[in-house]
Amino acid sequence: DTAVSQTPKYLVTQMGNDKSIKCEQNLGHDTMYWYKQDSKKFLKIMFSYNNKELIINETVPNRFSPKSPDKAHLNLHINSLELGDSAVYFCASSPNTTYEQYFGPGTRLTVT
Amino acid sequence: QKEVEQNSGPLSVPEGAIASLNCTYSDRGSQSFFWYRQYSGKSPELIMSIYSNGDKEDGRFTAQLNKASQYVSLLIRDSQPSDSATYLCAEGDGANSKLTFGKGITLSVRP
Repeated sequence: DTAVSQTPKYLVTQMGNDKSIKCEQNLGHDTMYWYKQDSKKFLKIMFSYNNKELIINETVPNRFSPKSPDKAHLNLHINSLELGDSAVYFCASSPNTTYEQYFGPGTRLTVT
Repeated sequence: QKEVEQNSGPLSVPEGAIASLNCTYSDRGSQSFFWYRQYSGKSPELIMSIYSNGDKEDGRFTAQLNKASQYVSLLIRDSQPSDSATYLCAEGDGANSKLTFGKGITLSVRP
């Protein structure tokens, strides 16, 4: 029944570690996104994929690497985690014909 | 670079009142605008989209777009305590489906 799902919901890890967040959508959408929402609740786009092709790559450190194995999945791998990476990461998806994006429940990443 | 400004807030209204949330944007060529609602600890939820000048109504919500003045607003009629949330305004990029979000306005509806 879930439209956009993310795992894990919470992630607590130490500086320097590498971690991944997974996202899946069952809406049949062609485009998927990763957003970061910081402690001040500002929501900023990081990446977007359309049919497995990268179309948006904002100024994000190259420690962040998205991967889209198929159009229903978009994963985010983060190398050498830093304290400033602590945030809530949201996955979203939208159909090709509209910007109306549907968000997953978010992954709260805490780097200690 | 596109900017979306939501400078007023937090906003507090009594139950049953009209809540008015405003947003301005920098790109005169922008064509699509969205309002998302985000409850504390939850994900943003799309509540309204608007593409043409004028008003668009959906239940208790009305979105208003004025491209000449570069603002978009959201009116919530008969506000309920369940409307208490942060409201995010977003502007769409015609080229690549990118959304630029404002910082949000927190609305509190007092019973």
